[in-house]
Parts: sequence; structure tokens; C-alpha cells
Amino acid sequence: DGGITQSPKYLFRKEGQNVTLSCEQNLNHDAMYWYRQDPGQGLRLIYYSQIVNDFQKGDIAEGYSVSREKKESFPLTVTSAQKNPTAFYLCASSDRGNNSPLHFGNGTRLTVT
Amino acid sequence: GENVEQHPSTLSVQEGDSAVIKCTYSDSASNYFPWYKQELGKRPQLIIDIRSNVGEKKDQRIAVTLNKTAKHFSLHITETQPEDSAVYFCAASYSSASKIIFGSGTRLSIRP
Repeated sequence: DGGITQSPKYLFRKEGQNVTLSCEQNLNHDAMYWYRQDPGQGLRLIYYSQIVNDFQKGDIAEGYSVSREKKESFPLTVTSAQKNPTAFYLCASSDRGNNSPLHFGNGTRLTVT
Repeated sequence: GENVEQHPSTLSVQEGDSAVIKCTYSDSASNYFPWYKQELGKRPQLIIDIRSNVGEKKDQRIAVTLNKTAKHFSLHITETQPEDSAVYFCAASYSSASKIIFGSGTRLSIRP
């Protein structure tokens, strides 16, 4: 789906370093989301944003930060405070308030050693 | 808080048989229930969704039922085929918050 672009596809970092994952969408969606997926587990919500310059914590926000300065961009920073950052990260977007389905990016697989 | 429980975690069915996956949600304010299919190494893709003013919805071999009183909804796949093998996720959304919570997933395997 060319509507949401996540980069890079694979990312490797040393423990103690902050790292920022990129998510860009050209679907003109108001809402954007970050989910974390661990092997054999479901999608857990990290942060979400319903509108520019506003965002809310999800269920596992500790050790992460986000910004929403532009409608089309919702970068996620994995900080050194995140105890177990190695995971598959999925970004998604949807129309706000319309109970519209999520459109996912291809994901970024982050490995921290 | 919002919570979505999904069962079973793994399901193996003979090709041609039916598969049923069940989910329950915690908050009665939930009003939108999508189902996603994720093939190995790929992104989740929406396969069907249902809103709280509807009890059942069908799309070819796939159907979803919703029981708002009991706060549970189910995915039914009939005449299963090898390409149905994947992980399936249910989810529940709250229109006031545009927040979507997922179940833990069901790994469906179709035996030839």
C-alpha cells in the first residue's frame, strides 16, 4: 500500500542509543497510530494521534516518544529508557471519528543489541 | 480500561471445513469491530468489519457476528482454502477516541 511509508525496513542499534522510526502517509488521514508486535503476540498500542499537534499514550507508551507536527508524519522515537526495544513496529492511519479501518505500513524491524 | 480477548490462539482445520474465531471486549462503548489478516512477514490487512448497529455481516466465505449484550463477536470462515492460512486479529474501536485495541491473534492453519 503506497499510502503509508515506513522507513527503514530493518534497523539495528546499540543499547543506550535513541532511535527514530519514520512514518509518512499521503492518504489525508487525520488519525495515526504506532503499534508494537512481538513474536507470536498481538499488536499493542504505543501512541496515537487524532489530529496535528495532539497525541495520546497507548497501553505501552513508557520508553517511547512521538511528535505530530505535520498531518502526514508521525515519527516514533525509541529511547534508551525502553527496557526491551527489539520488536516489529507498525505504523497505521485512519479517518478520525468515522470508525474507519486502519491502513498499515510495511513495518520496521528494530534490533537492539 | 479497554481490553480485547481472542480465542483460540492457534487453530488447525481440514481444507474445506469451517473455522471460527471468537473475541470479547470489555467496554460497552465499543462500536466498531474490524478483523485483520496478517500473512507471514506482511502487514495486517482488513478482511471484514462490523459496526454496532448490525448483528451480522457476510462477504463471500467470510462472516462476522456481533452480540452487543454479551460483548462478543466472532469470525467465521467457510470452505477454508490453503491461502486462508495466516494470523487473524480482531479489534475494537471507540469512536470518541479513535483508539483501536487488538486481540492477541489466532494462527490459523489449513491442513490439505
